[in-house]
Amino acid sequence: NAGVTQTPKFRILKIGQSMTLQCAQDMNHNYMYWYRQDPGMGLKLIYYSVGAGITDKGEVPNGYNVSRSTTEDFPLRLELAAPSQTSVYFCASGGQGMNTGELFFGEGSRLTVL
Amino acid sequence: AQSVTQLDSHVSVSEGTPVLLRCNYSSSYSPSLFWYVQHPNKGLQLLLKYTSAATLVKGINGFEAEFKKSETSFHLTKPSAHMSDAAEYFCVSDTGRRALTFGSGTRLQVQP
Repeated sequence: NAGVTQTPKFRILKIGQSMTLQCAQDMNHNYMYWYRQDPGMGLKLIYYSVGAGITDKGEVPNGYNVSRSTTEDFPLRLELAAPSQTSVYFCASGGQGMNTGELFFGEGSRLTVL
Repeated sequence: AQSVTQLDSHVSVSEGTPVLLRCNYSSSYSPSLFWYVQHPNKGLQLLLKYTSAATLVKGINGFEAEFKKSETSFHLTKPSAHMSDAAEYFCVSDTGRRALTFGSGTRLQVQP
């Protein structure tokens, strides 16, 4: 069972570079999310999607973009990377009805911007 | 707005002793609340969830949590800690915006 797969697991970027974090799920979930986790800060929602072609901003969307062309994939793009974007990024997916609260998480992508 | 506050950033217990991880919530209505666990270098996994069906909720690996509206609390407990319980634990609430709000986390250390 693959679940939620994130790539890459680790990446170092220089300031001003761009990159895309990939996320794929094989559970046919409509809901997908990108969170970032900073030390001692819990997880902050960056963007989410309730289905293919539909995305919306979360709590901390600045400096990021997303797209959702298929149910399976939800890539996160960083434009003009900044040191403040150094973090661990988690992709998650969930089925219908968010009050079930059960999200399935990938193992994370650790990004360092120097 | 709805939020959760985890009262301890770090808890240390001895193996075989009880575990108590504290969480308070603030909400103008009855929330949906959850506990997630994150083992080192892993993604998060759902431990248990409260959605108003019962105030005492049982989860995986012997954990349970009790919803107390009068105290606005949702503390996580386990009668006897195991070494494998060492991890970070997050109290989480449903914002009603199709997304979840995470507390800042409590790191549980289990001493042999």
